[in-house]
Amino acid sequence: EDQVTQSPEALRLQEGESSSLNCSYTVSGLRGLFWYRQDPGKGPEFLFTLYSAGEEKEKERLKATLTKKESFLHITAPKPEDSATYLCAVQARWGSGTYKYIFGTGTRLKVLA
Amino acid sequence: DAGVTQSPTHLIKTRGQQVTLRCSPKSGHDTVSWYQQALGQGPQFIFQYYEEEERQRGNFPDRFSGHQFPNYSSELNVNALLLGDSALYLCASSGTGGNTEAFFGQGTRLTVV
Repeated sequence: EDQVTQSPEALRLQEGESSSLNCSYTVSGLRGLFWYRQDPGKGPEFLFTLYSAGEEKEKERLKATLTKKESFLHITAPKPEDSATYLCAVQARWGSGTYKYIFGTGTRLKVLA
Repeated sequence: DAGVTQSPTHLIKTRGQQVTLRCSPKSGHDTVSWYQQALGQGPQFIFQYYEEEERQRGNFPDRFSGHQFPNYSSELNVNALLLGDSALYLCASSGTGGNTEAFFGQGTRLTVV
């Protein structure tokens, strides 16, 4: 069964304290892995797409990496405005020529000033 | 670029009633997917529309139905509302038949009382 698991469920960091969020997956026919940021009561905001093992993407204080079984979202020197829920989703093959998104339950990040 | 827009933003309905939610995709996108997100959970896939047809469907009952119009906009209909249907309903659009990154709207918060 296709599955996406994120850890930890919640994370509290002091401002400037770097850390990593994990997304592990078991899917057949992986096409891509996506990271989103979601603020309370809002829709997810697209951050990164990763397509192949070894790929890395960076945006400001965030860096996403991908292996064959998991992805990491590294947060360097976070600021309070980085507080949000970070969602991981995989795009997996579903039928002929179509794909589905499977989301994890997210990591709730709180950065304290 | 207006991005993905959803209406209404909030809605309160009574058990047994019917509701229609609307979504306009990002400019240039032809595929619309709908998700249900319960509090503290990741988005759950409801269905996807492409070329005005339902192409994929998640594990949701027939009370959930949809439509896509020639201009690619979409509606989600839910009949015989249950208390458990209370959630944030998210619309996501993507291009090339769903093979590109999905961008989400701000969501419609549905409360069933």
